[in-house]
Amino acid sequence: DTGVSQDPRHKITKRGQNVTFRCDPISEHNRLYWYRQTLGQGPEFLTYFQNEAQLEKSRLLSDRFSAERPKGSFSTLEIQRTEQGDSAMYLCASSPTDRVSPLHFGNGTRLTVT
Amino acid sequence: EDQVTQSPEALRLQEGESSSLNCSYTVSGLRGLFWYRQDPGKGPEFLFTLYSAGEEKEKERLKATLTKKESFLHITAPKPEDSATYLCAVQLRDKLTFGTGTRLQVTL
Repeated sequence: DTGVSQDPRHKITKRGQNVTFRCDPISEHNRLYWYRQTLGQGPEFLTYFQNEAQLEKSRLLSDRFSAERPKGSFSTLEIQRTEQGDSAMYLCASSPTDRVSPLHFGNGTRLTVT
Repeated sequence: EDQVTQSPEALRLQEGESSSLNCSYTVSGLRGLFWYRQDPGKGPEFLFTLYSAGEEKEKERLKATLTKKESFLHITAPKPEDSATYLCAVQLRDKLTFGTGTRLQVTL
């Protein structure tokens, strides 16, 4: 069990640029989640996948955000035309497909939009 | 509206000074309540899952309890290495909803 890995750990970009983050979940986990966390707040749900199917998206996820999980393995989260309000920690988590199971988080990608 | 509220927002303890963190929730259809620890610049680390009122879980100096309205994380004789933000989360359907956390600082 190598844990959930995220890349890059840090990203600084200028407003208006596009960015893409990658998440590699724990290999036997079917579910993959994206959360966003700002300073002093708890993680906020963005979207999740079961295998390659995207099952739910939060209202927080504007049309500038898109997530994919091709072949049900790694996932990418892309933000187009970044805004300063997008600055946050983007966390990925995975879990097995059990009725109640904890999410296992990666160490996140810290995005700064200047 | 489903809500998770943690208190206090911040807590400063001396080494060995026991205390409790609170997580209150107003949700329907709770499947489970989770406690996580988060260190600065890192992702949340799973601690406990509680499924039903009356349940208790322990790990080293931490003990989590659950009632129908709230959960407590009791910290007994804390050490400086217990300093972190402690998050609680409730599972509704297939996702977790988090509180804002309690920032714990334990000093010598």
